[in-house]
Amino acid sequence: EPEVTQTPSHQVTQMGQEVILRCVPISNHLYFYWYRQILGQKVEFLVSFYNNEISEKSEIFDDQFSVERPDGSNFTLKIRSTKLEDSAMYFCASNLGLGNQPQHFGDGTRLSIL
Amino acid sequence: DQQVKQNSPSLSVQEGRISILNCDYTNSMFDYFLWYKKYPAEGPTFLISISSIKDKNEDGRFTVFLNKSAKHLSLHIVPSQPGDSAVYFCAASLGPSGTYKYIFGTGTRLKVLA
Repeated sequence: EPEVTQTPSHQVTQMGQEVILRCVPISNHLYFYWYRQILGQKVEFLVSFYNNEISEKSEIFDDQFSVERPDGSNFTLKIRSTKLEDSAMYFCASNLGLGNQPQHFGDGTRLSIL
Repeated sequence: DQQVKQNSPSLSVQEGRISILNCDYTNSMFDYFLWYKKYPAEGPTFLISISSIKDKNEDGRFTVFLNKSAKHLSLHIVPSQPGDSAVYFCAASLGPSGTYKYIFGTGTRLKVLA
């Protein structure tokens, strides 16, 4: 069964550094998402992306965050200047976009900011 | 943001018995509801969904019930198996298509005892 793959599985970065989290969505999917889960908290929506544009973003997704689909397969989340509170699990998801097709999630990248 | 709530952080059930996981929501505009299962170090895995036009959807051992007037949904697992031990998240969306983000509950940790 096709999967969403995310790399790296764990990223450790110094505060203030830039980080790029990478995702390969399922190949025929059209909608792409990033969510995050801070330890002990709920999974929170960050951003959705369709047709090379951001469809919706949450309050969390401020100017420090950006997303890109640089080629036909990768979908990336960049944090320009990381803060301690950015430490979380980041999940990428994708779906076909048609009715009743669920979002499929990757296994996440654990981001640790020191 | 407390739009989706799972009030039981944990549940223990004997193998072979029924597991009932509950979820409440506050936004009457939600139109599509899902349950995901999550094992440690993995991403959420889709289990089952239900549209607001239905009150029940069944898939094998998993049944989701929706009570729109009470803004309540539940997941029944019958019979429960040790492999079902995981964290279960309910999620809600304004619609089933790719346009819409998911709002997640905080999760219920299910332990099925052999």
